[in-house]
This record gives sequence, C-alpha cells and structure tokens, in this order.
Amino acid sequence: QKEVEQNSGPLSVPEGAIASLNCTYSDRGSQSFFWYRQYSGKSPELIMSIYSNGDKEDGRFTAQLNKASQYVSLLIRDSQPSDSATYLCAVNRLTGTASKLTFGTGTRLQVTL
Amino acid sequence: GAVVSQHPSWVICKSGTSVKIECRSLDFQATTMFWYRQFPKQSLMLMATSNEGSKATYEQGVEKDKFLINHASLTLSTLTVTSAHPEDSSFYICSAALNEQYFGPGTRLTVT
Repeated sequence: QKEVEQNSGPLSVPEGAIASLNCTYSDRGSQSFFWYRQYSGKSPELIMSIYSNGDKEDGRFTAQLNKASQYVSLLIRDSQPSDSATYLCAVNRLTGTASKLTFGTGTRLQVTL
Repeated sequence: GAVVSQHPSWVICKSGTSVKIECRSLDFQATTMFWYRQFPKQSLMLMATSNEGSKATYEQGVEKDKFLINHASLTLSTLTVTSAHPEDSSFYICSAALNEQYFGPGTRLTVT
C-alpha cells in the first residue's frame, strides 16, 4: 500500500464546474496535510495547508480533512482553464518545519472550455 | 514572502563532469532545506534533507558520494552532482521550510 494515494487521472471538468480531488494516506500519525499545484515543466506551488479535521477555505479552494477516514480532499470551485495542472497531495508526520513530506503521485486536472 | 530561488535554471554538461546547483531562501532563514528529483511524468522523489551546519540526511538508495550537499548558511544550500552520467538527467528541485515547504523553480539537468 502506498503511503499517499491519489488517482492519477486525468480528471476532466468543464469550465465553471467544481473539481474534486481526493487523497488517502496510510500513516495514522500524520499531522499536516498539503496540496501543491504543479504545471508541466514547473516546480510545485503550495495551494493549501490543513492541520485539523474539517474544511478550510481560501478563495476558490477548499481543503477537507477527515483523520478518522485518513482522507483529505481539495475542491476547486468555478474551475478555470488555468487550473489545469497536476495536483500533489503531501502529508507530514510532524507539525514542525524540519520533517520531510510524503507526496502522492498527483492527479492531473483538465479544465475544458 | 517565502521565495526560494535556484541557480541555474537549466544546465547541459558532458558525461563525467560535475555540476553545482544552488538553492537560496530569499526572504527568510531556513534551517532545513530539501532536495528532490523528478523524472518525466513521475512524482517528486526526495533525495536528501539538508540541515544548516550539519551533514545532510540522504534517502535510501541515494548515493551521498555522488550527490554532495552543503548547507553552509541559513539561506543557501548547494547540490553537486559529481561525475554526472546521462541517467542523472532530471529536474532537480529544492525546497526550504518555513511553516510549510516552499519550492524553488527547479533546475533542469541534461547530461550528454
């Protein structure tokens, strides 16, 4: 079982729709959860971080965390073509800054016109 | 804030030569920096964790004598790929940790 699992996609959604990206993790001790966006040929860009159960909203993005189910998701409202990218889920066992992240393989999102 | 730079952004070198990649945190001090490698259509692979003033911690399977890491200051870490071979051609990305990890723009290495 992979430590962090994501559906590789591609996930195709029409412009203006809600894109729902999902991630599961195996380590129950995980404390910090992150979503990164990576455009082709570029490095990852941090979109959201979430540390406690529930929802966290930032603009068009909402991260959802359920530690009991070991599940974290990212919702993108009003999807735009510029949202087309690979979205990486990452988890961290500690809340401190010095510990390494474990990444999923990413979900490729395509927003169609 | 939380800007991380890398230099060079791309480099082409001949097999057998060494290449140094710099990673700088521009507006914050980073006790810890991380080095990743990413092959086409694959996810990030952590190579090593770099701590200022101490030896880097390498992930299993990463040759520490081939990938030399120096973290001489709180804003600079360097990765040197020694005796590079074509199979070392990849996208090398560093990150610096503040509250979260922030990534540099990456360095694309091509070994001919």
